[in-house]
Amino acid sequence: DGGITQSPKYLFRKEGQNVTLSCEQNLNHDAMYWYRQDPGQGLRLIYYSQIVNDFQKGDIAEGYSVSREKKESFPLTVTSAQKNPTAFYLCASSIVPSGISQPQHFGDGTRLSIL
Amino acid sequence: SQQGEEDPQALSIQEGENATMNCSYKTSINNLQWYRQNSGRGLVHLILIRSNEREKHSGRLRVTLDTSKKSSSLLITASRAADTASYFCATDADGGSQGNLIFGKGTKLSVKP
Repeated sequence: DGGITQSPKYLFRKEGQNVTLSCEQNLNHDAMYWYRQDPGQGLRLIYYSQIVNDFQKGDIAEGYSVSREKKESFPLTVTSAQKNPTAFYLCASSIVPSGISQPQHFGDGTRLSIL
Repeated sequence: SQQGEEDPQALSIQEGENATMNCSYKTSINNLQWYRQNSGRGLVHLILIRSNEREKHSGRLRVTLDTSKKSSSLLITASRAADTASYFCATDADGGSQGNLIFGKGTKLSVKP
């Protein structure tokens, strides 16, 4: 079955530690996205990528970094510079928007907490 | 930047009743999408309606779009307990030049058996 896999499901971060969230898709989508969701809130865009080896900052990129070395993979690193990292992180993919938004397919998220 | 805002924030109904959720947005769009999120899970795409469409159906879902009022509604008919979830509308950002979506805060629907 095609889909998006996020791991781990739960993650704990210590002070001063960087942590990396994994996102893998086998939908053959070119575009991938990372969102942050806080309780009772909508999704906010952290980073997105429309092609391998290229990515763009979203609305709340500070304290986060990404890479896109393979079409299937778009890992997100939450750095120690992100002072309030506790949230639910969602990865999504779509066909390339080409100027008009497309339906996005989501993974089941990673819940990050501070130790 | 523009944003969809859902109304109401929470809705509680009995099984078999219809549920209506509304979404308002601020600037012109190419399309509007509705998503469902079950507790602790990712979002699932339900339906996309283009700016030149007024109504769209998918099973028990009916979506309307009124671009003059910059609003959309999602109707779930004959609701079931399994429809219990949060529902989000999402609109193009910046007129769709990047194709990114902006999500509202969602309507939390509870369907009681």
